[in-house]
Amino acid sequence: LAKTTQPISMDSYEGQEVNITCSHNNIATNDYITWYQQFPSQGPRFIIQGYKTKVTNEVASLFIPADRKSSTLSLPRVSLSDTAVYYCLVDLNFNKFYFGSGTKLNVKP
Amino acid sequence: GAVVSQHPSRVICKSGTSVKIECRSLDFQATTMFWYRQFPKQSLMLMATSNEGSKATYEQGVEKDKFLINHASLTLSTLTVTSAHPEDSSFYICSARALVAGAQETQYFGPGTRLLVL
Repeated sequence: LAKTTQPISMDSYEGQEVNITCSHNNIATNDYITWYQQFPSQGPRFIIQGYKTKVTNEVASLFIPADRKSSTLSLPRVSLSDTAVYYCLVDLNFNKFYFGSGTKLNVKP
Repeated sequence: GAVVSQHPSRVICKSGTSVKIECRSLDFQATTMFWYRQFPKQSLMLMATSNEGSKATYEQGVEKDKFLINHASLTLSTLTVTSAHPEDSSFYICSARALVAGAQETQYFGPGTRLLVL
């Protein structure tokens, strides 16, 4: 069973910042939080990963509150090419990824 | 770094035949690889964990005799769909767990293999 809950879909416009929140109420002490992006007929692509507080890389930021029961993926200034499904996963040692439904992000012009 | 490839990318076969799908880690060694299946408009479903040099472990409900997994080297895992039937038509995706210099330790996914059984 998936350990995470995300909104099924979100709409945005080009140039906007998009925040996708994931709930993981039963996250274990040693679990990491990982986000992937998937385009149709492609394998998921790693976006970002974190354990606590804030992580930032060249494509996104990940915000994790102190209780770690949720996390928020932030995509700055989205473009049409960011239209995809975004998955949040939690696991220890990246061994058992049970995918939830993901969030289908639709970026409009 | 951390690139995973799959071959073939697409395959069409007749019902009753067997199909082999290869998953390779191109620039790193992977003691553990994973196989997923994804039906249209659905999420990925973990099928099995492939361990180099040992038997694969299958998720509940996945028939080990139908989906044969061999992880013979640190860079190659294969999934053979035996006696394929139309209901096996799906998108099969592999991943490899990697700790690569300059990259994040996590699972890196292959591009997927589209299987169509006629």
